[in-house]
Amino acid sequence: AQSVTQLGSHVSVSEGALVLLRCNYSSSVPPYLFWYVQYPNQGLQLLLKYTSAATLVKGINGFEAEFKKSETSFHLTKPSAHMSDAAEYFCAAYSGNTPLVFGKGTRLSVIA
Amino acid sequence: DADVTQTPRNRITKTGKRIMLECSQTKGHDRMYWYRQDPGLGLRLIYYSFDVKDINKGEISDGYSVSRQAQAKFSLSLESAIPNQTALYFCATSDLRDQAFTNTGELFFGEGSRLTVL
Repeated sequence: AQSVTQLGSHVSVSEGALVLLRCNYSSSVPPYLFWYVQYPNQGLQLLLKYTSAATLVKGINGFEAEFKKSETSFHLTKPSAHMSDAAEYFCAAYSGNTPLVFGKGTRLSVIA
Repeated sequence: DADVTQTPRNRITKTGKRIMLECSQTKGHDRMYWYRQDPGLGLRLIYYSFDVKDINKGEISDGYSVSRQAQAKFSLSLESAIPNQTALYFCATSDLRDQAFTNTGELFFGEGSRLTVL
């Protein structure tokens, strides 16, 4: 069964610093991959998704993620953190006709 | 109006009470899901339905039941609520085919229902 691992339940960065949130998936067959963001007291919204087209995927709010098959990874990055990026981020994978499988989430704090 | 609407948004109840969380959608999607979010555990799937006649258990279905009343409506019930069912519950939908005619599994979420069981 597919599983998704997010390294680090909490990441803290300074405003203006690089954001790196890590995600690894388990499937030997590359799945479709997603990053969702959850702002405080809100639902989840799609940040970006990989669907086997370009390996570097650009999303909203300046985020991007790179699919690396050799590393089974799909890490999320943003060159310069903003206070408004503080949220919980979820990586998820889809491997066929079964529901999305989520990682446990990474809470991002941005320090002024 | 939101495409995926959950009611109630917040509910406090007592142990042993029956609770129903309702979800309705205007996206026209066939597939609907109920997830539960707990701190440090991410989102875990409770039940899902690929169409009106299809109901499937997820990884944590014990203590829950669902009803797919129509394509647009999917309700989650707790027959006898217990404190460890205190959590944030999300309804989500997905389409069989997205705009690229590909089944990518992308989910569209409601804003959540926060349930507290005392």
